[in-house]
Amino acid sequence: ENVMTQSPLSLSVTPGEPASISCRSSQSVLYSDGRNYLNWYLQRPGQSPQLLIYLGSTRASGVPDRFSGSGSGTDFTLKISRVEAVDVGVYYCMQALHLPRTFGQGTKVELK
Amino acid sequence: EVQVVESGGELVQPGGSLRLSCKASGFSFSNHYMDWFRQAPGRGLEWVARILMKTDNYDRQHAAAVNGRFTISRDDSKNELYLQMTSLKIEDTAVYFCVRDGMAGGDLDYWGKGTLVTVSS
Repeated sequence: ENVMTQSPLSLSVTPGEPASISCRSSQSVLYSDGRNYLNWYLQRPGQSPQLLIYLGSTRASGVPDRFSGSGSGTDFTLKISRVEAVDVGVYYCMQALHLPRTFGQGTKVELK
Repeated sequence: EVQVVESGGELVQPGGSLRLSCKASGFSFSNHYMDWFRQAPGRGLEWVARILMKTDNYDRQHAAAVNGRFTISRDDSKNELYLQMTSLKIEDTAVYFCVRDGMAGGDLDYWGKGTLVTVSS
């Protein structure tokens, strides 16, 4: 199975400041179609996960442009340009190329 | 508006059975792959099962941890997804989420609120 490793596991950010989360996969998620099958989710407290980014860098519908995804192959990054209060929660990366789908451990983001 | 709403979760004894349902609305259900995921209390997310479309002969796959005990199925005429769970174990205790595949490239885009399954004696 493709093991996903996130860092850091927790992040304390001042509102308005940027934040960055890294995700590394044990196997490449770059498919022969040239696309990276890597998603980012935010799970706010008490809620179900919300898709933020798919195919490594494509923002899902309705996701603010302060969220961006980058990377290829086995190394990916989620960046938040200016953290807001609504961004608090746990962020997960998930590889969508192989079954079983696998997630990183999660990165808990809180405000300072 | 796209919606997926799970139901059927409850307290069940170890070794028992349960069927979860997911009612979909607001989209063409038959044209989407569907998945079940779960999240044990205070833990991360875990993929459980996936079912493809009629054109794929409803091909389905299950996670190793549930293979042989859980079965995913769908009824396109009712816009419903199911998870039949048997031989339940304490470690199956979790919130179970029904999830739509947006079909744009691995974009598992709509998650239900989840239904809680508690396995305990």
